[in-house]
Amino acid sequence: DTAVSQTPKYLVTQMGNDKSIKCEQNLGHDTMYWYKQDSKKFLKIMFSYNNKELIINETVPNRFSPKSPDKAHLNLHINSLELGDSAVYFCASSQQLAGGSQFFGPGTRLTVL
Amino acid sequence: AQSVAQPEDQVNVAEGNPLTVKCTYSVSGNPYLFWYVQYPNRGLQFLLKYITGDNLVKGSYGFEAEFNKSQTSFHLKKPSALVSDSALYFCAVYPQTGANNLFFGTGTRLTVIP
Repeated sequence: DTAVSQTPKYLVTQMGNDKSIKCEQNLGHDTMYWYKQDSKKFLKIMFSYNNKELIINETVPNRFSPKSPDKAHLNLHINSLELGDSAVYFCASSQQLAGGSQFFGPGTRLTVL
Repeated sequence: AQSVAQPEDQVNVAEGNPLTVKCTYSVSGNPYLFWYVQYPNRGLQFLLKYITGDNLVKGSYGFEAEFNKSQTSFHLKKPSALVSDSALYFCAVYPQTGANNLFFGTGTRLTVIP
């Protein structure tokens, strides 16, 4: 059984479109995260949610909007996609916010043309 | 400001030899320290972490890391490298004070040569 799953695995779209990436964890964790990994493999936190509440929003454009319908899901919606949004997006979860080991999903490779 | 440095972009080691992947950090207080591994086209996998106690931490796949407070380092080690250890390794720090998130290093690509 997959612990942290993301859909889709690949996403190719045109500039200006709106797209969503879904994430689900079946670990019973309280905290979920979105990370962006750029072409140089640099990994940066975007958002974290604890018990469905937004905890971290790290200098991410307003075009990115996370939504957590319940503790097991954290979806990422992106409006008006730009070329610079092309990256691999990882969802992760942990039992607790305070330094708990994080479990990562397989990633979604977003390509904006 | 919190930061994590992995000074080597690439580390090459012969199969069977010991390996070291370096990590130093700059945070205030007593951070939690982590190592993650990323295989091609996969998400990151947790290897080990240091919170408190014994400075030598043992983790998955035979890896271990040594916390050195005076040198603010947390180098990853393995006594005998396998070809299957070839991957991208990330050091991360959780500061405990201030920011509530992990700060990742820039990653080190380990290649184990048969």
